[in-house]
Amino acid sequence: LAKTTQPISMDSYEGQEVNITCSHNNIATNDYITWYQQFPSQGPRFIIQGYKTKVTNEVASLFIPADRKSSTLSLPRVSLSDTAVYYCLVGGTNAGKSTFGDGTTLTVKP
Amino acid sequence: EPEVTQTPSHQVTQMGQEVILRCVPISNHLYFYWYRQILGQKVEFLVSFYNNEISEKSEIFDDQFSVERPDGSNFTLKIRSTKLEDSAMYFCASSGDSGLPSTDTQYFGPGTRLTVL
Repeated sequence: LAKTTQPISMDSYEGQEVNITCSHNNIATNDYITWYQQFPSQGPRFIIQGYKTKVTNEVASLFIPADRKSSTLSLPRVSLSDTAVYYCLVGGTNAGKSTFGDGTTLTVKP
Repeated sequence: EPEVTQTPSHQVTQMGQEVILRCVPISNHLYFYWYRQILGQKVEFLVSFYNNEISEKSEIFDDQFSVERPDGSNFTLKIRSTKLEDSAMYFCASSGDSGLPSTDTQYFGPGTRLTVL
């Protein structure tokens, strides 16, 4: 499974756009990139998944360059409730484990 | 929206006792998983289950652990003789079968907090 590297922590202010970048140099051809959000004492919650280029949903956008060795999760206009740990995962085939790294702790300040 | 449910939300047990953690995966999903998260640490994979058998397990998932799908809806994790270091949040997850590789997202339950005294 491809190893991922993310910043340990990030701070932002309400209303700002936040971009969290994840490195995955050893991503395999069949791997997808998935981002999860986790609040304290809750299960990880799916945010977005992509394979290449750009994916957008009602919550976030995911930017993946052509070489797919990194990806950037973009959260538009964050609020205090977006304070959480964000995990980037690579792989995710059925019956395969999801390997969580240390994640990025995002703190949104008023 | 369908969701994964887990019971109990909190389980307190004495060291050496057996515990069973229960999960009801999303109804049309075919793949099931258990993860754990020790307080302040990252989420760790324990085991995946498909077609009534374990498909992958981690080094954490030793002989003290077992999983079962006793009926068409429940998925259980049993710890035979709990140790203090088993204290953690245990998350169940499930995923479906879209027919496409690497696209099926794992959906996680709210977790069971296991406290071993």
